[in-house]
This record gives sequence, C-alpha cells and structure tokens, in this order.
Amino acid sequence: QKEVEQDPGPLSVPEGAIVSLNCTYSNSAFQYFMWYRQYSRKGPELLMYTYSSGNKEDGRFTAQVDKSSKYISLFIRDSQPSDSATYLCAMSEWSGNTPLVFGKGTRLSVIA
Amino acid sequence: SQTIHQWPATLVQPVGSPLSLECTVEGTSNPNLYWYRQAAGRGLQLLFYSVGIGQISSEVPQNLSASRPQDRQFILSSKKLLLSDSGFYLCAWSVLWEDRGYEQYFGPGTRLTVT
Repeated sequence: QKEVEQDPGPLSVPEGAIVSLNCTYSNSAFQYFMWYRQYSRKGPELLMYTYSSGNKEDGRFTAQVDKSSKYISLFIRDSQPSDSATYLCAMSEWSGNTPLVFGKGTRLSVIA
Repeated sequence: SQTIHQWPATLVQPVGSPLSLECTVEGTSNPNLYWYRQAAGRGLQLLFYSVGIGQISSEVPQNLSASRPQDRQFILSSKKLLLSDSGFYLCAWSVLWEDRGYEQYFGPGTRLTVT
C-alpha cells in the first residue's frame, strides 16, 4: 500500500460547480497536511496548509482533515476556468527535517 | 519575502553530457532544501534533500548528485546524462515558522530534455 493515494483523474466539471479533491494515507503519524496547485509547466504553488484534524477555509477553498479515517479533502466552491490545474496533496509526520510525502496529483479541468 | 531561483528554465542536452542545475533561495536562512523530478504524467519524485551546508540525503540511487556549497545554494549535477534523466526538475525549500507552522515552497523549475 502506498503511503499517500490520490486519484489522478482527470476530473472535468462545469464552471460554478463544487469540486471535491481527496487523498487517503496510511501513516497515522502524519500531522501536517498541505495542498498544492500546479499549472502546466510551472512549479507547484502552496494553496492550503492544515495541522492535525479539522477544517480550514480560505476564500473559495476549504481543506478538511479526518485523521480517524486517514482522509483529507480540498473543496473548491464556485469553480472557475482559472482553477484548471493539477492539485497535489502532501503530508508530513512532523515539521523539521522530514520530507513531505506527496500524492501523484489530480488533474482538474473547469469548463466554461 | 522569500524567493527561490532556478536556472536555466529550459535545457536540451545530448546523452552522455554533464549537467549542472542551480537553485538559490533569498530572504531566509538555514532552510531545508530539496531537489525533485517530475516526469511527464507522473508524480513528484524526491531526489535529494539537505538540512544544512554539506549535508545531503539521497532518496533514489542514480547517476545524479547534489551539493550544497552555501547555506542558500543547492546544485544538482550529473557527469553523464541518460535519456531517462529527462523531466521537470524542481528545487524547493522548507522552514518552520513559529507563528504559522511548517511550509514548503517550490521554485519555477527547469525543463530538461536529453536527446
């Protein structure tokens, strides 16, 4: 079993839809959870960051962590064509010298 | 503010030629530094990471090497490139902030094509 599982998609939705992106993980020691957005031919951009369980909201984006289920989600409300990108989840056991473990990314297309 | 630079942005090299990619970080001190490779249609593969000058950890055995000659400089090298070395190379840095936790940021990347 891979440490982090993420459906690669592609996921295609109409403009204005609510998008749900998810990752599951196996390591119960993970406590830092991040979402990155990567546009084609660009470096990943840190989108959301969550420590331990709970929700975090930033504009149209909401990140959720359910440590009991080892499941994290990113919700995008009122999706826009500019949200079309690959979204990568990443997680770490603790802050410091442990590299992040990444999912393979989900490719999202928002159709106008 | 912190900035990460990578160069060159694009590189085309013949098989068997050497490689040197450079990454520098501004606006922070003693960052952890990372080299990743992203092959077409595939996920991020961690190649090397460094927690300090001269300290390099290798994640994947291959014909690449990394060095950190200065606190905010990270170099990826190869003596002889293989076709399989083609990909998108990303440098990243991370730091633990007292007020907002652990964050990792990526550079713009270098697209390497080995012909």
